[in-house]
Amino acid sequence: EAQLLESGGGLVQPGGSLRLSCAASGFSFRTYAMAWVRQAPGKGLEWVSSIISNDRTYYADSVKGRFIISRDTSKNTAHLQMNSLRAEDTALYYCAKDRLRGGGDGAFESWGQGTLVTVSS
Amino acid sequence: IVMTQSPATLPVSPGERVTLSCRASQSINTNLAWYQQKPGQAPRFLIYGAFTRSTGIPARFSGSGSGTEFSLTISSLQSEDFAVYYCQQYNSWPLTFGGGTKVEIK
Repeated sequence: EAQLLESGGGLVQPGGSLRLSCAASGFSFRTYAMAWVRQAPGKGLEWVSSIISNDRTYYADSVKGRFIISRDTSKNTAHLQMNSLRAEDTALYYCAKDRLRGGGDGAFESWGQGTLVTVSS
Repeated sequence: IVMTQSPATLPVSPGERVTLSCRASQSINTNLAWYQQKPGQAPRFLIYGAFTRSTGIPARFSGSGSGTEFSLTISSLQSEDFAVYYCQQYNSWPLTFGGGTKVEIK
């Protein structure tokens, strides 16, 4: 069974940076697409970014140019580097595993418990 | 692609049949997933391909639709089904979620 454990959240000032990590276990990490999905307090789900086969990456318009998704297959860990943070980036950030190997299809069958990012002065 | 769910809130009694709606702003074929989220928990993957249940999801959950109109039906609502339900399209980037429907106790 896939397990995902996020870390790296915290309080950061506007304009600051933060790096989130997602430690994966229970599946062949290198063969699955991975994603980050966030949820602002009291709000719905918002897809942030995905990394698929060949490390091709995709981003929501709201984070494009500021966030970078990556993965370290030697450590079974995905990362989200968040730069130029804004108040509207405040949210619980979930790591999610695609249901399909390779390029995936964008449906997320496994989720971590999330790590909270608060952007405030 | 904008995903619109209705209603935003749905008061239901246990044992009732409930249908949630999800509309896409353009055709997404059957590239639609449904998730359930309870307070303080991560989303749970229910359905993909518009109608295929994920592993371990009870048969009382069923999905239907294609193109732009979709629905999730719970045939007989159990106490553990009170939650927020989200649809999500994965037909094209950027991936998008609906705003959610909260199924609450009447």
